[in-house]
Formats: sequence, structure tokens, C-alpha cells
Amino acid sequence: QSALTQPPSASGSPGQSVTISCTGTSSDVGGYNYVSWYQQHPGKAPKLMIYEVSKRPSGVPDRFSGSKSGNTASLTVSGLQAEDEADYYCSSYAGSNTRYVFGTGTKVTVL
Amino acid sequence: EVQLVESGGGLVQPGGSLRLSCAASGFTFSSYEMNWVRQAPGKGLEWVSYISSSGSTIYYADSVKGRFTISRDNAKNSLYLQMNSLRAEDTAVYYCARGNTAMVTGDYWGQGTLVTVSS
Repeated sequence: QSALTQPPSASGSPGQSVTISCTGTSSDVGGYNYVSWYQQHPGKAPKLMIYEVSKRPSGVPDRFSGSKSGNTASLTVSGLQAEDEADYYCSSYAGSNTRYVFGTGTKVTVL
Repeated sequence: EVQLVESGGGLVQPGGSLRLSCAASGFTFSSYEMNWVRQAPGKGLEWVSYISSSGSTIYYADSVKGRFTISRDNAKNSLYLQMNSLRAEDTAVYYCARGNTAMVTGDYWGQGTLVTVSS
């Protein structure tokens, strides 16, 4: 099972928006509405930001939103803040045997 | 408060074995599926293994199949990963993560434990 494809980096100024793509196949992203997004600061554990494509766990700001079209999912961070600077990973359910696949990761820089 | 605390990491020679543990608290452990996820130094996240809430269903990534064994003890609120025939490419921080019905790898994660495979 290959990793999902994400751009290595993305950036934006405070207050701006940034969108990260996550491209898979019909066997993972395109086949299920089970895409999740994780934020990871250096040296820290990942934190769940989005699940089931577009749902936010309690406590996650509504500046974070998710969507999906075909085999590509996207995470948008609106109103960028300094604390949003981190690595972001998408993940998709990929069927009962493969179970889960992660994206390659995107480093978001707040300029 | 949900807490997951991994332990058991360390330095091991190629071909050696190590057993990781994850102590869970703050939730009904026996009701949740669990996952192990690893991250090689400077690299991305890689799902390693899954176990259902009862322990009856288990899956592994191809990269560890036949070498790693996941298990759990619901009476002790603990998750385990037995790692045998370790290779240099298994060097990583290993995280335990709580799954849920939304098919997420983890809605809560531990802080991770570092496994280094080197001679």
C-alpha cells in the first residue's frame, strides 16, 4: 500500500488561508468517507484535527475544515495563526486488510 | 482525562527482540480498538498494527507482518507490541493510539517510545 501524496510544504501569512491536498486512489481516499487529518508539532505526538472527511473533534477551532472530491481530500486552515505552524498528515481507511494509510506529510509555515 | 503511556523502547541489535507496552487510563479500555503507529527519525507516520476491542481481530502492515505481534490485556488496561527479528529500518518512535468508530487511526495518542535498532 503506497502512502497518500501530499505537497511537502505550504505557507501563508497570518490571517491568510492555506489548503493542503491529499491524493490517494479508489482503494482508500476515493473509496471511503474515512479521511482524517493530524497536526504534529516538533517532538510532539500527532493530534486529530479532522475525521470522516470534514468533522472536527471537540476543541478543534472551526478555522480547520476538510473536504473531499474523488480520490483527493483537502485540509484548509483559515485565518492562519502562528501556532498553526506544524506538520500535517492525512490518513485514510483502506479496507479491512490494509486498514490505514498515511499521507507523506506537509510542513505548514506561517510567514 | 484520556492517557496513553508507552514504555519498553530502547537500543537493540539487528535480529533482536523488544516488547513495547502502552498503559491506558481515563476511558473504558476494553471498549476501544487500538493501533500502533511509528515514525522513523525525520520521516512521516506509518501505521503498524491494529487490534479490535476484544482482541479477536488483528491486522498488520506488510512491513512488519510475521515479525511483530500485537496483543492486549483488557483486565490490565494495557496494549502490547512484541517485535522480533528487528531491522535497522524498524528504528522509529512508536506511538500507541486509540481508534474509534469513525475509522481514525487515533483520536488520542501516547507520547511515543523510541526504538533504535543498531549494532
